[in-house]
Amino acid sequence: GENVEQHPSTLSVQEGDSAVIKCTYSDSASNYFPWYKQELGKRPQLIIDIRSNVGEKKDQRIAVTLNKTAKHFSLHITETQPEDSAVYFCAGTASKLTFGTGTRLQVTL
Amino acid sequence: GAVVSQHPSRVICKSGTSVKIECRSLDFQATTMFWYRQFPKKSLMLMATSNEGSKATYEQGVEKDKFLINHASLTLSTLTVTSAHPEDSSFYICSARLPGQGDKLFFGSGTQLSVL
Repeated sequence: GENVEQHPSTLSVQEGDSAVIKCTYSDSASNYFPWYKQELGKRPQLIIDIRSNVGEKKDQRIAVTLNKTAKHFSLHITETQPEDSAVYFCAGTASKLTFGTGTRLQVTL
Repeated sequence: GAVVSQHPSRVICKSGTSVKIECRSLDFQATTMFWYRQFPKKSLMLMATSNEGSKATYEQGVEKDKFLINHASLTLSTLTVTSAHPEDSSFYICSARLPGQGDKLFFGSGTQLSVL
């Protein structure tokens, strides 16, 4: 089955700086890669996703890049704000969604 | 707004009792729903896939007699934790895909189960 690894496990950045979270996947059949943001005790919220036929996707301050050859994809958050502080999960799917281990992002003032 | 509703949000029960968690799709029909489990500061682990009108598909290592799943209608799936023990304490969360939204997975609000 699919195995998704995510780094770093924790990330602290100053407000206004950029944050990058990286994931790798094992199943070359995976074709859909969403990113979720989860606040403590809340449901995961889909923030951006990318399909395997696209190399990059951007939505305002958030972007995702995908390298199919290397089997890795990354989340980029620019101009970070305190409300970006949360746990972020990447995921990959061929037949079912497999989540990465999560990154706790802390945006400090 | 939320498209998947889950109840209860929090439940505390005694060891040995059973707990039922409901997951409803709002304004759409979900032939398939997914149940995840999340331990504190950990990732979401798929427990089972709930299929309307047929048996659920359980992931390896998940006891089907322990975690009973019923998907009796196109808008409701239930997860029953039978004879709960303290080690079953966890955050349980369901999800579903919306028609026309492809692979996008939308989550319920989750249920925090605490077994005393």
